Amino acid sequence: GAGVSQSPSNKVTEKGKDVELRCDPISGHTALYWYRQSLGQGLEFLIYFQGNSAPDKSGLPSDRFSAERTGGSVSTLTIQRTQQEDSAVYLCASSLGSGRAFFQFYNEQFFGPGTRLTVL
Amino acid sequence: ILNVEQSPQSLHVQEGDSTNFTCSFPSSNFYALHWYRWETAKSPEALFVMTLNGDEKKKGRISATLNTKEGYSYLYIKGSQPEDSATYLCAFPNTGNQFYFGTGTSLTVIP
Repeated sequence: GAGVSQSPSNKVTEKGKDVELRCDPISGHTALYWYRQSLGQGLEFLIYFQGNSAPDKSGLPSDRFSAERTGGSVSTLTIQRTQQEDSAVYLCASSLGSGRAFFQFYNEQFFGPGTRLTVL
Repeated sequence: ILNVEQSPQSLHVQEGDSTNFTCSFPSSNFYALHWYRWETAKSPEALFVMTLNGDEKKKGRISATLNTKEGYSYLYIKGSQPEDSATYLCAFPNTGNQFYFGTGTSLTVIP
């Protein structure tokens, strides 16, 4: 069956350019997360979407980062004016969710293969 | 920011050895504790979602226990095989929507 897919798998960009990373979650999964892993660090939460509710953006490191999720499915993470410290592996994950508080905590996350972003 | 700690950071064992590692998390506001395995060049894959104090889960040669009162979980691998080589991550969800991941234990099983 189809898992979570992400594109591109690798992206090399110059400092100051904008980049867009894409995530296609598993069909039927209403919860979607973006994480990043910088070198030597653990997975860092960035943003959470649940269905059509307003996203939880509390993990976004700066206002250069934004994300949207269209039609409750595909999500894009946009980084404007990239900096070298943005270099990392960006992972997307989806899981079963519902409008009930904390429901998503009890469901495993399915991760995509990640996008490795290198900012020169 | 919550502190989720994993130890050891890395581990090398011989094929056939059994091993275990630890995830420590805050003992308050507990909802669940997740374990994931992340093999090189692959996506992280869920092993267990543990919710109750005293929970013990098993998948093949891998098992996990949970102590929510003292804030730790152990992952055990019996008779390690080279294909068990991976980074093992634990994740602790808390109020809000965040999952806090540990930095992982990197396991290398030497044939």
